Amino acid sequence: SQQGEEDPQALSIQEGENATMNCSYKTSINNLQWYRQNSGRGLVHLILIRSNEREKHSGRLRVTLDTSKKSSSLLITASRAADTASYFCATDGESGGGADGLTFGKGTHLIIQP
Amino acid sequence: SAVISQKPSRDICQRGTSLTIQCQVDSQVTMMFWYRQQPGQSLTLIATANQGSEATYESGFVIDKFPISRPNLTFSTLTVSNMSPEDSSIYLCSVRTSGRGEQYFGPGTRLTVT
Repeated sequence: SQQGEEDPQALSIQEGENATMNCSYKTSINNLQWYRQNSGRGLVHLILIRSNEREKHSGRLRVTLDTSKKSSSLLITASRAADTASYFCATDGESGGGADGLTFGKGTHLIIQP
Repeated sequence: SAVISQKPSRDICQRGTSLTIQCQVDSQVTMMFWYRQQPGQSLTLIATANQGSEATYESGFVIDKFPISRPNLTFSTLTVSNMSPEDSSIYLCSVRTSGRGEQYFGPGTRLTVT
């Protein structure tokens, strides 16, 4: 079953504006990862944030993690048309041995209007 | 990171037949995973494939339907057996390069069953 829920499910903004997507999850995690997917293609890894981190930056991306609320947010600043894509959060659980894969949220479809 | 290729990139198959999907990684990795993405949906983990041992399947997925091979540290195959239209999905191979680190995805195989 899905671990996370993304909010909103769809987001449409003007180019140059900031886009914020939220992700909630249910169980304890080792880390949380954000991905981008363009038009049903493969997933591009954006950023990983570990359970002992609260904020992480990469270029125009800013990710926060609140383990007490079991939630994360992805902020894309100064959005561009090329940012149009689906964005997924995925959690890596705390079960032992490192054998588990990721549990994905439902995704946010982001549309950047030129 | 890791460079992952999948073959075929897409296929259209008749119901009742089987398709084997290949996943090749440019470096040796311990952990490989197979995911399914049904149309308009998020990703669901099918199984974890470790070299030298049998694959571990998630709830709802069975070896008879999705047999997996992992002959070495750079290659794996997933077979979708006795296909039905409900198997129409994107199938993605993924690897974890170190410990509880980033997980990278191949470009996916888009399967349509008629």
